[in-house]
Amino acid sequence: SQQGEEDPQALSIQEGENATMNCSYKTSINNLQWYRQNSGRGLVHLILIRSNEREKHSGRLRVTLDTSKKSSSLLITASRAADTASYFCATFTNRDDKIIFGKGTRLHILP
Amino acid sequence: SQTIHQWPATLVQPVGSPLSLECTVEGTSNPNLYWYRQAAGRGLQLLFYSVGIGQISSEVPQNLSASRPQDRQFILSSKKLLLSDSGFYLCAWGQGIIGGNTIYFGEGSWLTVV
Repeated sequence: SQQGEEDPQALSIQEGENATMNCSYKTSINNLQWYRQNSGRGLVHLILIRSNEREKHSGRLRVTLDTSKKSSSLLITASRAADTASYFCATFTNRDDKIIFGKGTRLHILP
Repeated sequence: SQTIHQWPATLVQPVGSPLSLECTVEGTSNPNLYWYRQAAGRGLQLLFYSVGIGQISSEVPQNLSASRPQDRQFILSSKKLLLSDSGFYLCAWGQGIIGGNTIYFGEGSWLTVV
């Protein structure tokens, strides 16, 4: 079953602009993570935010979490061509060890 | 450091043939292991996960099965492939709460059933 739903499904922006992707989920979580996938490759972990955190930064990445709305956002500032990839949110609950991914946002950075 | 290996990278199989995809993890012990499938341009679907040898949880009823014969080995199998089994299969490992719930992926296996 799909837990997270990313929005938008696809996003094209000019290099240098900021890219914002959103994720909504359905059940209570312990943490939410964002992953990146280059075309035809495995996923790479970007950042994790715990349920008691509201915002987290890592380099050009900024993640927010609103547990009351069951939503998260990933902001990539000053985008670069190399940021072109698909981005997925994933949720984890302590009831089991499953990690459930959303359908992803395909980000395309235009030169 | 921990590494994950997954093979074969690419596979073309006829309908009705068997399947075996293998995944091994090095540099850690008692990992949680996962198999995901990704259809073209789609999200990841969790197929199986395992928290220990011989412990397999199935998420989606289908003609696929998984086994964990050794602590760091996870195998995805099918006795008879269907066209709908085509996709990108990803193995992943993690350490659960101890590892911060982060999982690490292999490079994936492209399966085309013809």
